[in-house]
Amino acid sequence: GEDVEQSLFLSVREGDSSVINCTYTDSSSTYLYWYKQEPGAGLQLLTYIFSNMDMKQDQRLTVLLNKKDKHLSLRIADTQTGDSAIYFCAEGGKLIFGQGTELSVKP
Amino acid sequence: GAVVSQHPSRVICKSGTSVKIECRSLDFQATTMFWYRQFPKQSLMLMATSNEGSKATYEQGVEKDKFLINHASLTLSTLTVTSAHPEDSSFYICSARTPWTGGKHTGELFFGEGSRLTVL
Repeated sequence: GEDVEQSLFLSVREGDSSVINCTYTDSSSTYLYWYKQEPGAGLQLLTYIFSNMDMKQDQRLTVLLNKKDKHLSLRIADTQTGDSAIYFCAEGGKLIFGQGTELSVKP
Repeated sequence: GAVVSQHPSRVICKSGTSVKIECRSLDFQATTMFWYRQFPKQSLMLMATSNEGSKATYEQGVEKDKFLINHASLTLSTLTVTSAHPEDSSFYICSARTPWTGGKHTGELFFGEGSRLTVL
């Protein structure tokens, strides 16, 4: 079945760039998503990318998609302490989620 | 942007009682909504797909008699945890997909804020 994998933790210093990686298995996915979850809260859609795109930029966020390797990444430029959260990538119509990457931003 | 509202955000109940959680799409009609469950420090697990006007489609391993889903209108889906037990304590999250309109909405999935259920 479909599977989505992420690394569990990432720690960066404030002002640095963060790169969160994700690999997926379902090559038929039309959309791939990035969500942010703050403690005790629901999910916030950060951005998404169509499968026919290689890159999408939205302010501080850059999504890169390598369809050949089934690899998705989220780059957060100038990471702030408010970016500390768990980030989930997800694929497909029903959304299969990765385990989530906990981003910790140190001042 | 589109908003999906869940209610209640927190609920505590006694073992054996039933609890209903509502999921509403506030500014769009959603023919399909999804219900997820999230255990602490873990990812979201899709429980079922809620289809307006028809039966929900449950994922493997999810008891449909335990987790009753009703999608009675294009803006409301409900999840009822029947005869709740402590092991049902979890964070339940719904999502709704915007329709394709070629304009404002392009089939994105938006999530509610989640409902934390604690069964004593």
